[in-house]
Amino acid sequence: QSALTQPASVSGSPGQSITISCTGTSSDVGSYDYVSWYQQHPGKAPQLMIYDVSNRPSGVSNRFSGSKSGNTASLTISGLRAEDEADYYCNSYTTSNSYVFGTGTKVTVL
Amino acid sequence: QVQLQESGPGLVKPSETLSLTCTVSGDSFSSYYWSWIRQPPGKGLEWIGYIYNSATTNYNPSLKSRVTISVDTSRNQLSLRLNSVTAAVTALYYCARGAGWWGIWGQGTMVTVSS
Repeated sequence: QSALTQPASVSGSPGQSITISCTGTSSDVGSYDYVSWYQQHPGKAPQLMIYDVSNRPSGVSNRFSGSKSGNTASLTISGLRAEDEADYYCNSYTTSNSYVFGTGTKVTVL
Repeated sequence: QVQLQESGPGLVKPSETLSLTCTVSGDSFSSYYWSWIRQPPGKGLEWIGYIYNSATTNYNPSLKSRVTISVDTSRNQLSLRLNSVTAAVTALYYCARGAGWWGIWGQGTMVTVSS
């Protein structure tokens, strides 16, 4: 099972919106609405930001939103803030009854 | 408040068996899926597997032949065993609640494979 493809880095200025893509195949992202997104600050455990493509857990800012089209899922961060600078990972359920993470994206706030 | 705490040996020799424990506090252990996820230094996340209801397990196909996840409900502990380890097993190992999405994570325990 190959990792989902994410851009290595994305950057934006405070207040801007950025979008991180997560590209899989018809065997994972394209087949199920079971995509989740995680934020990871250096030295910290990942934190769930989005589940089931577009649902936000309680406590997660509504500046974070998720969507999916075909084999590609996306995470959008609106009103970018300094504290959003972190690594972001997507995850999807697969037709092999397993789970695969994305390659990870480093978000830099300029 | 639910808390997860991983523990383990830190250093394992090649070809030996890695054994880790995750102690769960503040929650009903038997009501959820519990997973292990790892992260090699400077790299991305990899799902290892999950257990549900003390008996139902599901493992990453790439690790299936070498991994065992079990629980001790009397101690509220989740365990991971990985046989015949190599340097590729060196990683930060997390336990997390859930399967498919993981809302609660431990802080992770670092395992290094070296002779």
